[in-house]
Formats: sequence, C-alpha cells, structure tokens
Amino acid sequence: DGGITQSPKYLFRKEGQNVTLSCEQNLNHDAMYWYRQDPGQGLRLIYYSQIVNDFQKGDIAEGYSVSREKKESFPLTVTSAQKNPTAFYLCASSLTNEKLFFGSGTQLSVL
Amino acid sequence: QKEVEQNSGPLSVPEGAIASLNCTYSDRGSQSFFWYRQYSGKSPELIMFIYSNGDKEDGRFTAQLNKASQYVSLLIRDSQPSDSATYLCAVRGEYGNKLVFGAGTILRVKS
Repeated sequence: DGGITQSPKYLFRKEGQNVTLSCEQNLNHDAMYWYRQDPGQGLRLIYYSQIVNDFQKGDIAEGYSVSREKKESFPLTVTSAQKNPTAFYLCASSLTNEKLFFGSGTQLSVL
Repeated sequence: QKEVEQNSGPLSVPEGAIASLNCTYSDRGSQSFFWYRQYSGKSPELIMFIYSNGDKEDGRFTAQLNKASQYVSLLIRDSQPSDSATYLCAVRGEYGNKLVFGAGTILRVKS
C-alpha cells in the first residue's frame, strides 16, 4: 500500500533531550513537510523540502532540525532548544505544488 | 492579519441541513485552495480542492471560489452526524512552495 508512515505514534521527551520523529513515504512524492498542531489551533509549518538534500524553514523552525538524504524520508528532530515541544506533529508529502497527503501523526509530550 | 482566516465555530446544524463553511485569505496571488476534514486525534483528510473561480461539486460537497473577494467556501449538503469534525481551509500561495492553513471551523451536526 502507498502512503506516509509516521513513527512513533506517541513520544515522551525528558528535559534537555533531543528526540527524532520519523516520516517515510512511498508515494514517490518530491515534496515533504512537517507541521505542528496545538490543541484547538490550525497547522503551523516547521520545515519543508522540495528536493533531496534541500530544505527550507517554515514559520516556526526555531528549536527543530531536519534532513532529507533520501526522497522517501524526512525525519524531524526536536532539540532541547524547543522549550514548548508538546504538540501533535504531522508529516505530509505532495507532488510539486499539488495537494498534501498526511501521515497519522505523532503526539509528543514532555515528562 | 492572518494569512488564512476561518471562523472557529462551533457551527451547529441539524441533520439533513446544509452546512456552510467560509474562509478568507490575504495573498491575492494564491493559486490553489483545499479543504481538509480532521476528526479529533486524527490527521487531516483532503475532501475538496479548487483552482478556478466558480463552483466545484463532488457528491455532497461543493467548493466555491471567488478570487476577486479572496474568499473560498465549502458547502455540505444533507449533513450527517458523521460530518461532525474540524474543517481546515488551506491555501497555496503565489509561488506554490508551501500550504498555509487556517485554524479550522468546528462543525457539529445534530441528529
């Protein structure tokens, strides 16, 4: 089945710890995105990548980092510099400038 | 001014009625417009997209776009309790490289 796989579904972070959220797609999409959603709010763009080995900051990139070494994979690292990381994280992919398809999300909480 | 604005609701309609959801956007050069449905705790699901002025119908859903007024709407005919969800409006800007989301409108369909 084609789709976008995010893991883990739930993740807990200790203070001062970096954590990495996985996102893999087998849709052969060029573009991949990371969004953050806080309760009762819309989606805010963290980072996006339109091609392998290239990515751009979104609206709230501070405290996050990404890599795009393979077309299929776009992992997101939440660093210790992100002081309020508790949120629902959504990965998405698309053909260039087309509609987005989302993974099932990762709920990140702070211990 | 937010780039994409939606009334947060909740919008309550009786079963069988027409639900009308509205969205305005600030980037006059925006090229494509999307409506996503999101159930609580789940990821957004694409239900409609529209690129040209006018109406686009798909089953019980109709998307309406007015670029001169920078306004896009979603009509849901014969609303069902299963339509109860948050509806997110998303707009791809003039340069097409990212999708900006509104905060969403909560729809409640009462049986």
